[in-house]
Amino acid sequence: SQQGEEDPQALSIQEGENATMNCSYKTSINNLQWYRQNSGRGLVHLILIRSNEREKHSGRLRVTLDTSKKSSSLLITASRAADTASYFCAPISGGYNKLIFGAGTRLAVHP
Amino acid sequence: DAGVIQSPRHEVTEMGQEVTLRCKPISGHDYLFWYRQTMMRGLELLIYFNNNVPIDDSGMPEDRFSAKMPNASFSTLKIQPSEPRDSAVYFCASSLTGSYNEQFFGPGTRLTVL
Repeated sequence: SQQGEEDPQALSIQEGENATMNCSYKTSINNLQWYRQNSGRGLVHLILIRSNEREKHSGRLRVTLDTSKKSSSLLITASRAADTASYFCAPISGGYNKLIFGAGTRLAVHP
Repeated sequence: DAGVIQSPRHEVTEMGQEVTLRCKPISGHDYLFWYRQTMMRGLELLIYFNNNVPIDDSGMPEDRFSAKMPNASFSTLKIQPSEPRDSAVYFCASSLTGSYNEQFFGPGTRLTVL
C-alpha cells in the first residue's frame, strides 16, 4: 500500500458550511478509504470507494475519486461541531492489507 | 461486538522499565495491526499479523520493541527497556480478509515514559 497526502493540513469553518478535503496518491489503487479521528480516540472508518467508482455518498459525506489525476476528495455537507476531527485517506493498492496514513486534515467546525 | 479492546488505557512508567500493551481484536478478524501516534511523526504502522503470524515488522523502531500474537484473540506489544522518546499513543486495529482492508481501531493506550 501507499501513503496518501491530505490537503489542506488544517481547515476552519462555521457550523452549517461545507468542508472539502483532498487526497493525492502516486500509483494505481484498488480502493481508497477515508477515516476520521476525534481527539484522543482511535480512527473510525468513514467510507470506501473502489477504483471503478467515481462518486459515493454516505449521509452527509460525499467522496469522489479521479483515478486519472490520482486524487480523491471528501465533502462534508452542513457541517456540525461534532465533525471537528482529523481526517485521513488511505489508498490501497496491490494485495497488501496494511494502511499507511499521512498527516491528515485537521478540521475545526465552530458553532 | 465490543470492538477492539486495548489495555491499559493509560500507562505512566519510568525510563528503563518494561512496558506491556495488550490488545484483543474483534472476534473473527484475521489481521491485527499495531500503530504508534505522536505529534512529530504522525501515525506509524509498527507491525501487523495475519492469522497470528507476523507479516511485516519493518516499522518496529528497534530491538527494544517486540510484539507477539499467541492466539487469535490476544496480542501484546512490549517495550524493554522503555525510553522517554517512546511516549506516544499506541493503537491496535483489526480487520477481516475480504473486507477491502477496512480496519477497526481500538481506543489506544497513552504511554508516558518519564
